[in-house]
Amino acid sequence: AQSVTQLDSQVPVFEEAPVELRCNYSSSVSVYLFWYVQYPNQGLQLLLKYLSGSTLVKGINGFEAEFNKSQTSFHLRKPSVHISDTAEYFCAVSDRGTSYDKVIFGPGTSLSVIP
Amino acid sequence: DTEVTQTPKHLVMGMTNKKSLKCEQHMGHRAMYWYKQKAKKPPELMFVYSYEKLSINESVPSRFSPECPNSSLLNLHLHALQPEDSALYLCASRKQGGSYEQYFGPGTRLTVT
Repeated sequence: AQSVTQLDSQVPVFEEAPVELRCNYSSSVSVYLFWYVQYPNQGLQLLLKYLSGSTLVKGINGFEAEFNKSQTSFHLRKPSVHISDTAEYFCAVSDRGTSYDKVIFGPGTSLSVIP
Repeated sequence: DTEVTQTPKHLVMGMTNKKSLKCEQHMGHRAMYWYKQKAKKPPELMFVYSYEKLSINESVPSRFSPECPNSSLLNLHLHALQPEDSALYLCASRKQGGSYEQYFGPGTRLTVT
């Protein structure tokens, strides 16, 4: 069975400072990895995904993430955050086999950008 | 059109009511999903339809009944719900064949009284 851990439930950060949101997963099979963002009272939006290839993945809004297979991690980073980045961030995983429709979400990290 | 729409935005229903949630996409996606999201929690998968056939049911109580009448439309029929079913219900869709990200709608906020 797969699981996703997001170690930080809340991350406050000052505007224009860098941020890293941590994600670790466990799985007995190879996986696809995703980061989604959810703004208040909205659905989820894909920030970026890792399917294969380069372990450094760039996404929308200046976010990037690095897949580390040995550490089973997929941490999300942004070099300079804006007020508009305040939102809930979910790391997610699905397996590469026939169950790729079953996406498992982590518990989420609430990012608060302080002016 | 890269949008998933959901209606209604908000729904309040009593425990004896019957209501339906609607989800629509015109992106040609052939996989569609229902999720339930409680406050401050991640989405939980309920159902998956692939090519209009139910492919995954995550042991959801029968008071929730999904329906996929065509490739663009997904419904969730609700009957005899409990207050603990109050949540945000999210619909999502995915393009089949090599693209694994899901596109989410804005959700329906359901309150059961």
